[in-house]
Amino acid sequence: AQSVTQPDIHITVSEGASLELRCNYSYGATPYLFWYVQSPGQGLQLLLKYFSGDTLVQGIKGFEAEFKRSQSSFNLRKPSVHWSDAAEYFCAVGGNRDDKIIFGKGTRLHILP
Amino acid sequence: AAGVIQSPRHLIKEKRETATLKCYPIPRHDTVYWYQQGPGQDPQFLISFYEKMQSDKGSIPDRFSAQQFSDYHSELNMSSLELGDSALYFCASSSGRVNTEAFFGQGTRLTVV
Repeated sequence: AQSVTQPDIHITVSEGASLELRCNYSYGATPYLFWYVQSPGQGLQLLLKYFSGDTLVQGIKGFEAEFKRSQSSFNLRKPSVHWSDAAEYFCAVGGNRDDKIIFGKGTRLHILP
Repeated sequence: AAGVIQSPRHLIKEKRETATLKCYPIPRHDTVYWYQQGPGQDPQFLISFYEKMQSDKGSIPDRFSAQQFSDYHSELNMSSLELGDSALYFCASSSGRVNTEAFFGQGTRLTVV
C-alpha cells in the first residue's frame, strides 16, 4: 500500500536560514510525488511535483525537491526562508491517471525573526 | 485558467442534519476525488470517481454518499451529521486520459454544532 512519512512534525528555523523538510514514501510502482503548502484555514497550494525525468525539480516560491529512488525520498529544500514561509507542508504520493493522492501527516514550519 | 470550484465555501449545520457539498471539476477533467481534513490533521481520502463511476473508496463513513453526474460535477451527501464531521472538505479533479496531477479546490469548511 502506498504511504508517506514525514518524520518531523514541527521544524523551527531562523529567517534567512536554509530549510530541508524530509519525506519518505512507499509505493509499488513509479510514484508521482508532490509537495503542498497550507496556511491555517486555507486550501492546498501545490509547490512542486515530480513525475519523471530530472530528479531535481524546481517549484514556486524558491522551493526545490530532489527525488532519490534508492532512498525512497523526496525532500523539500529552500536556501533561505522568509517569514511568509511559515505554514504546514504536506508531502504526497500518487500514481498516474486516476490513482488517488495520499498525504503525509505534514510538517509545521515555524520561522524565527 | 479555470480551477476546481467547491460550494459552499462555508457551511454550518446542527447535529443529525444533512449536508450536501458540491464540486465542479476543471473542464474536461473526468476524475474527481474527495478528501476530509480534520483540525490539525492531514487530508484523508474519502472516495473518487472516474467517468461517473466510483473508482476508489477510502475512509468514507456509511453516513456519507457521493456521486458524479453526467456533467462530471460531483456531490458529497452527508447525513446524520456528528460533531466529529466538522472539517475542511476538499475536492480535486484530474484527467484520466492524460497523466497529470490532481488539482484541488479551496475546500468547504463544514462546522457541525
